Amino acid sequence: GAVVSQHPSWVICKSGTSVKIECRSLDFQATTMFWYRQFPKQSLMLMATSNEGSKATYEQGVEKDKFLINHASLTLSTLTVTSAHPEDSSFYICSALRRGSNYGYTFGSGTRLTVV
Amino acid sequence: KQEVTQIPAALSVPEGENLVLNCSFTDSAIYNLQWFRQDPGKGLTSLLLIQSSQREQTSGRLNASLDKSSGRSTLYIAASQPGDSATYLCAPRMDSSYKLIFGSGTRLLVRP
Repeated sequence: GAVVSQHPSWVICKSGTSVKIECRSLDFQATTMFWYRQFPKQSLMLMATSNEGSKATYEQGVEKDKFLINHASLTLSTLTVTSAHPEDSSFYICSALRRGSNYGYTFGSGTRLTVV
Repeated sequence: KQEVTQIPAALSVPEGENLVLNCSFTDSAIYNLQWFRQDPGKGLTSLLLIQSSQREQTSGRLNASLDKSSGRSTLYIAASQPGDSATYLCAPRMDSSYKLIFGSGTRLLVRP
């Protein structure tokens, strides 16, 4: 089945540094990727939508200069949290849209970011 | 703006019980609706996807129904097992967008 590989699964970084999270679609082409963040015991909040070869579309309230998204190929999208602060600590999950008869979504396994 | 509500928020049952998880959404202009499972600290696993033209989908012990006009979907779990313990999320996709709108989830605990 369709697999999205997300790395790293967890990361601890110091305040002020940047962290890059990668999502790769292993056996299909993901023309569209979605990035979510999730706080403990809460649901997923969509941060942005990225389409291969074009700029990402950010949801209202999400700082595009802080959360840089790059979708340079049909199999790779990255989210870079720049100048991270403790309030950025969260669980980040990517999702790839599989184009086909069902237009289903495949999710990565998530990245637990802790900023200290 | 689409709003998705899931009831109950949490559920604890003994093994073997049949369960019904509810999902309601305010805007019926959906393209499809998907049910996911999330284990603690993990990503999401797709369970069932129902197209807007369908009434239900089945996979093993899981059955999902969709009543688009009334803005409701249910996930039925038959003969629950401890391994079913997880958070279950429903997410309709709007006609006009590829975005999924997630409910807050139902946290299920199946006791041995």
